[in-house]
Amino acid sequence: DQQVKQNSPSLSVQEGRISILNCDYTNSMFDYFLWYKKYPAEGPTFLISISSIKDKNEDGRFTVFLNKSAKHLSLHIVPSQPGDSAVYFCAASWTDKLIFGTGTRLQVFP
Amino acid sequence: NAGVTQTPKFRVLKTGQSMTLLCAQDMNHEYMYWYRQDPGMGLRLIHYSVGEGTTAKGEVPDGYNVSRLKKQNFLLGLESAAPSQTSVYFCASSPTGPDTEAFFGQGTRLTVV
Repeated sequence: DQQVKQNSPSLSVQEGRISILNCDYTNSMFDYFLWYKKYPAEGPTFLISISSIKDKNEDGRFTVFLNKSAKHLSLHIVPSQPGDSAVYFCAASWTDKLIFGTGTRLQVFP
Repeated sequence: NAGVTQTPKFRVLKTGQSMTLLCAQDMNHEYMYWYRQDPGMGLRLIHYSVGEGTTAKGEVPDGYNVSRLKKQNFLLGLESAAPSQTSVYFCASSPTGPDTEAFFGQGTRLTVV
């Protein structure tokens, strides 16, 4: 059973606007949450992370929000750029494991 | 600086054949992971290792074996390949645990016919 879920397989956003990618999880023991970005024919690359004891972490255009009571996190990209077009994976860590979600394909159009 | 290197990049196997995928990292990382990526399923953890000489099962370990005899290498073996193992396989390493940035290889596309 999928412990980390990304219910939107795709998202299309206009350049300059905000992109919001969502992720839900079921395991309350996860202690860190991470976002990875993947371009075709490449391995995923790390984007940003957040500890389970925090509710927000910001790095430039990227902000991750964590709502533990709802078991939900989101990644905000502002402003979105064409180079942000990729597949974004939410991931969670627990007892040495790094568990990934199903991914959301983001397309940023001009 | 090579990072994480996977060998081979592509492979076609017949059902029942065996093969080994090699993952090598030059960053002196303790943790290493093997994932498979399938359409609609995201990345699923097959096996992982927390240090030289250790291995542990992930979410989908059946049909695979692993070994970590040297810190820099993590091998994934398929003893008797099945069409259900057709996938893209990714190896990753991280310095001290899954809460730190993991570095991925470029993937191995495996087709079992």
